[in-house]
Amino acid sequence: DAKTTQPTSMDCAEGRAANLPCNHSTISGNEYVYWYRQIHSQGPQYIIHGLKNNETNEMASLIITEDRKSSTLILPHATLRDTAVYYCIASLGNMLTFGGGTRLMVKP
Amino acid sequence: DVKVTQSSRYLVKRTGEKVFLECVQDMDHENMFWYRQDPGLGLRLIYFSYDVKMKEKGDIPEGYSVSREKKERFSLILESASTNQTSMYLCASSFLGRFGGPSYEQYFGPGTRLTVT
Repeated sequence: DAKTTQPTSMDCAEGRAANLPCNHSTISGNEYVYWYRQIHSQGPQYIIHGLKNNETNEMASLIITEDRKSSTLILPHATLRDTAVYYCIASLGNMLTFGGGTRLMVKP
Repeated sequence: DVKVTQSSRYLVKRTGEKVFLECVQDMDHENMFWYRQDPGLGLRLIYFSYDVKMKEKGDIPEGYSVSREKKERFSLILESASTNQTSMYLCASSFLGRFGGPSYEQYFGPGTRLTVT
């Protein structure tokens, strides 16, 4: 798996968009980018994944740069329940390598 | 609704004991995983199984073994528990991704917090 780099922590105001960056400059052409999050005291939860194109689902949007060296997860209207650790993973195959993630704190 | 259950939320064992952590999933998933999570180290993969009786080592298999006799059940075994195995253990399952394609969403259980004294 390619190494990913994320900020350790971020704050976001409730109701605003949360933009979480991830750097994966050594990603190979067929590695996918995955995002999971882990709310305190729970197991991680899948959010979204993509290869080249931007992706959107009911939880978030994933923007991948054209050179695929970085990506951004966007939570369009963050709520207090979005406070969690967010993991960005670049991987090929069934096994995923979780790094330290970004601790997102959504504040009222 | 996918459900991954783990046998205990909290477990306290003594050094040298043999410990079994059980995980059961009800979605007919081929893949099952065992992770441990420690502060500052994130989630680390211990073992992975893609089929009954099949297993692959993850990043930190030393001191652990696994058993998968039935598709829905994946057991993690600590042959002789040590204090450095005190941790949160998380089980996950997913469908088997096809070669060259993305992996499928992993569903996680609630975790077992193991303390070895």
